[in-house]
Amino acid sequence: ETGVTQSPTHLIKTRGQQVTLRCSSQSGHNTVSWYQQALGQGPQFIFQYYREEENGRGNFPPRFSGLQFPNYSSELNVNALELDDSALYLCASSLDTLAGETQYFGPGTRLLVL
Amino acid sequence: ILNVEQSPQSLHVQEGDSTNFTCSFPSSNFYALHWYRWETAKSPEALFVMTLNGDEKKKGRISATLNTKEGYSYLYIKGSQPEDSATYLCALKAAGNKLTFGGGTRVLVKP
Repeated sequence: ETGVTQSPTHLIKTRGQQVTLRCSSQSGHNTVSWYQQALGQGPQFIFQYYREEENGRGNFPPRFSGLQFPNYSSELNVNALELDDSALYLCASSLDTLAGETQYFGPGTRLLVL
Repeated sequence: ILNVEQSPQSLHVQEGDSTNFTCSFPSSNFYALHWYRWETAKSPEALFVMTLNGDEKKKGRISATLNTKEGYSYLYIKGSQPEDSATYLCALKAAGNKLTFGGGTRVLVKP
């Protein structure tokens, strides 16, 4: 176990709704990254938070937003859900943002948009 | 857009046999290469982080090599066991803060 937890484990929403996914980072880690994994693909980087500030963003529209709290846990918010948002959402925490720093993943939240 | 490719997409291995598979990546702006093992219904498990050309890392029966000049890494499994069945992901850390993942190699070890 990595010590990274995510909630909820599964979620069903309808198009147009909003969703919030949560991630608790491993103790001592100040960096959280979020990834989307669609079926049959590798995880795609959404964004990263470092010490409560966004620290890099992938090719996702602004309706994907996030937060990091003082305890370094994090939220991913998706507004105006679309069918293509159905995926597994993974968060990963790390000690820092350095290239050689291992990212430890949670088990993911599976989102289904109907 | 960085392109990280893994081949093959899937492979079947007989228990006891050894196997290897490839991760290819653009060699420019290389910072680090990460390998993960991902078993169904579990979190991806970090295997290795490799940063230097010629790096070799080993964890039990699994080892990896890195060639940053030609842009590839090999992962080897020696004497495959059923518990090695998983998807193996490589991810490139280049400029910026993100990991760019390949599509994975799904390994199925048959008893």
